[in-house]
Amino acid sequence: EDQVTQSPEALRLQEGESSSLNCSYTVSGLRGLFWYRQDPGKGPEFLFTLYSAGEEKEKERLKATLTKKESFLHITAPKPEDSATYLCVSKGDYKLSFGAGTTVTVRA
Amino acid sequence: NAGVTQTPKFRILKIGQSMTLQCAQDMNHNYMYWYRQDPGMGLKLIYYSVGAGITDKGEVPNGYNVSRSTTEDFPLRLELAAPSQTSVYFCASSYASGAIVYEQYFGPGTRLTVT
Repeated sequence: EDQVTQSPEALRLQEGESSSLNCSYTVSGLRGLFWYRQDPGKGPEFLFTLYSAGEEKEKERLKATLTKKESFLHITAPKPEDSATYLCVSKGDYKLSFGAGTTVTVRA
Repeated sequence: NAGVTQTPKFRILKIGQSMTLQCAQDMNHNYMYWYRQDPGMGLKLIYYSVGAGITDKGEVPNGYNVSRSTTEDFPLRLELAAPSQTSVYFCASSYASGAIVYEQYFGPGTRLTVT
């Protein structure tokens, strides 16, 4: 069965303290691995799509990477405005699978 | 482009009432989705549609109905509202071509309380 597991559930960082979020996936025929950001009370906002192992994408302080079993979202020198819940979603042959998210809090 | 719009933003229903949550997109996306998100929890797929006239059940379809008569609109109907349907509802859309499904765009959500 397709499954996505994100860790940790919550992450508290000091401003400037780099860290990584993990997304482990088990998917029948990966068609795409998506990262979204969700702010409280709002809908998720698209960040990245990764399609194959070895692929990397960057946007400002965020960098997403993909292996055959995991994806990582690296946050470099985070700022308070990077505080949000980050969602990992896989698209397999048959369905979309959502992770529960990692809530990141960045203190000034 | 307005993207994905949802109405209403907030609604309080009494147990047993019915209502329709509206969703529209102006990006000509063929796929549309309805999710619910309970407090502190992840998104759960209720129904989805791969094109006008085609809908299918997601993970938690009981108590809901959908229709898709046009590419742009995908309303979600709640019949006989129950307290367990208290949640935030998100509509989303995406483009798909063959086996490739591209990123989803989400609406701002409808916060529903059933008392």
